[in-house]
Amino acid sequence: LAKTTQPISMDSYEGQEVNITCSHNNIATNDYITWYQQFPSQGPRFIIQGYKTKVTNEVASLFIPADRKSSTLSLPRVSLSDTAVYYCLVGVTNTGFQKLVFGTGTRLLVSP
Amino acid sequence: NAGVTQTPKFRVLKTGQSMTLLCAQDMNHEYMYWYRQDPGMGLRLIHYSVGEGTTAKGEVPDGYNVSRLKKQNFLLGLESAAPSQTSVYFCASSYAGQARYQPQHFGDGTRLSIL
Repeated sequence: LAKTTQPISMDSYEGQEVNITCSHNNIATNDYITWYQQFPSQGPRFIIQGYKTKVTNEVASLFIPADRKSSTLSLPRVSLSDTAVYYCLVGVTNTGFQKLVFGTGTRLLVSP
Repeated sequence: NAGVTQTPKFRVLKTGQSMTLLCAQDMNHEYMYWYRQDPGMGLRLIHYSVGEGTTAKGEVPDGYNVSRLKKQNFLLGLESAAPSQTSVYFCASSYAGQARYQPQHFGDGTRLSIL
């Protein structure tokens, strides 16, 4: 299994950039790296996905080094509404459902 | 477009009772999943389905059964509820795709308490 390791929690202030790193040492060749955001009393919500190098969308960037053993979710200029739990997920859906393990995530607290 | 809808949102059961959780998706997704989320343990996969009429076990299937008679619906059943099944249950769906991860779309959960 592509086990992932993330920090349990992080604190930040409004307007700062937040970087959350996920370690996945035994990632497989065809695995993708996906990040989700979860608010209280809601299901996880897809944020961004990547395979290698850098991916950017309207809400975040994902940095993946050449060895793909880790990845970093970058949230630019966070606001109070970014307070949530963030999950890193490694795997594929067509052949590896058992590998799709959501860890305990990183609880991000953004303060004024 | 409602996405993934779970019913009920809350339920309290007594030990030994049975119940069925319903998940419905309107995105024509092939794959559907049931997870449970417990404090400090992330989400764990209970069962999943790759298409109408097919189901398979996930990481923690014991005590649960599932059925997918229609493509848009995925039912999770508890035949004899136990206190250890107190949890928040999430349903998700995704496209089949090929050789990549297809983002899963989640419902807002069913909070189940078993006394």
